[in-house]
Amino acid sequence: GQQVMQIPQYQHVQEGEDFTTYCNSSTTLSNIQWYKQRPGGHPVFLIQLVKSGEVKKQKRLTFQFGEAKKNSSLHITATQTTDVGTYFCAGLKAAGNKLTFGGGTRVLVKP
Amino acid sequence: NAGVMQNPRHLVRRRGQEARLRCSPMKGHSHVYWYRQLPEEGLKFMVYLQKENIIDESGMPKERFSAEFPKEGPSILRIQQVVRGDSAAYFCASSPNPPRQGGGYTFGSGTRLTVV
Repeated sequence: GQQVMQIPQYQHVQEGEDFTTYCNSSTTLSNIQWYKQRPGGHPVFLIQLVKSGEVKKQKRLTFQFGEAKKNSSLHITATQTTDVGTYFCAGLKAAGNKLTFGGGTRVLVKP
Repeated sequence: NAGVMQNPRHLVRRRGQEARLRCSPMKGHSHVYWYRQLPEEGLKFMVYLQKENIIDESGMPKERFSAEFPKEGPSILRIQQVVRGDSAAYFCASSPNPPRQGGGYTFGSGTRLTVV
């Protein structure tokens, strides 16, 4: 079945630094979505990428969809304490019915 | 402007009892999804329902688990004869369109089930 993998599993970042988290799917995707879950909270939708090579920005967050539509990345610049949480990517196969989530990257920010 | 409402927030059940988890989707959303999350892990798809129909239940265990989304009322995830391994957070999500049309899901706050 479809697998979605994320690396790293944990990311310890100094406040103010940049980092990138990566997402890889075993199958070609029709779209990929990113969610953020704060500790003790629920996943919150951040963005969806649909086109091959697509890049979208949300303030300090930059999302990219790979050319082959099998991988994606999230880059955060100038990390802040409010960025703490787990970032999940989730992929949907073409004509698929289920959004498959990766294992998440848990981000801890050192002030 | 209620989002996805799940109740109860926390549920404690003894081994062998039944657990019923409820989910009311956002207004205007007719597509409901249930996911299960263990601590420090990702979300595992369980089932996708649209009003009165189960569209995809490929992630749901064949025994003891069932789900419904009746014409009136919330979606229900039912776990019979719970075991310790059922302890997890169960999240419900909803969307206005089917997955193939794209668009993000809105998640509820989850039900944290503890089996003792």
